[in-house]
Amino acid sequence: SQKIEQNSEALNIQEGKTATLTCNYTNYSPAYLQWYRQDPGRGPVFLLLIRENEKEKRKERLKVTFDTTLKQSLFHITASQPADSATYLCGLKPDTNAGKSTFGDGTTLTVKP
Amino acid sequence: NAGVTQTPKFQVLKTGQSMTLQCAQDMNHEYMSWYRQDPGMGLRLIHYSVGAGITDQGEVPNGYNVSRSTTEDFPLRLLSAAPSQTSVYFCASTTGSTSYNEQFFGPGTRLTVL
Repeated sequence: SQKIEQNSEALNIQEGKTATLTCNYTNYSPAYLQWYRQDPGRGPVFLLLIRENEKEKRKERLKVTFDTTLKQSLFHITASQPADSATYLCGLKPDTNAGKSTFGDGTTLTVKP
Repeated sequence: NAGVTQTPKFQVLKTGQSMTLQCAQDMNHEYMSWYRQDPGMGLRLIHYSVGAGITDQGEVPNGYNVSRSTTEDFPLRLLSAAPSQTSVYFCASTTGSTSYNEQFFGPGTRLTVL
């Protein structure tokens, strides 16, 4: 069956370090992979999208990689700050039907000052 | 733009009651979806719509109905509430464009079924 796994439920790092979050998938051939941020009591907010033919995408302190051979995406936050503390969700989409996504359970990142 | 709005923010139901969760978007998005999120878990797709008059089932559709009579609105109906439907419900919309395929989520409705 299709499965998305995000690394550990919780990740704790020190301010200024790079946080690396992992999203692995099986029995799935996504055309797009997205990362969202979710704060407690709020809806998810879109961060980055990467397509299957892209290896890497960057946005300010964020970097996403996508390896379709390993069936894995890595999400990096460089120079992390306490304000980056949140839950991060990865979502996979087929090429058609933009509304239909499958999400992982999320990784809760805590950045300590 | 208000983006995606959801009402109510909180709701408590008794087992067997029915209700409608409202969702509206003012971005003229074609695609709209409903998700539920249980504690410590990700989002699971309930139903989605690719345009007015067109809906389809997601991963966990049982116990829920949807309709899409306008582009703006996508209500979710609980037919006979059960404790297993206690969850946070999120509505989302997207343009469906291949360039900007992000989903915009509403603030959520927190539903408790006793």
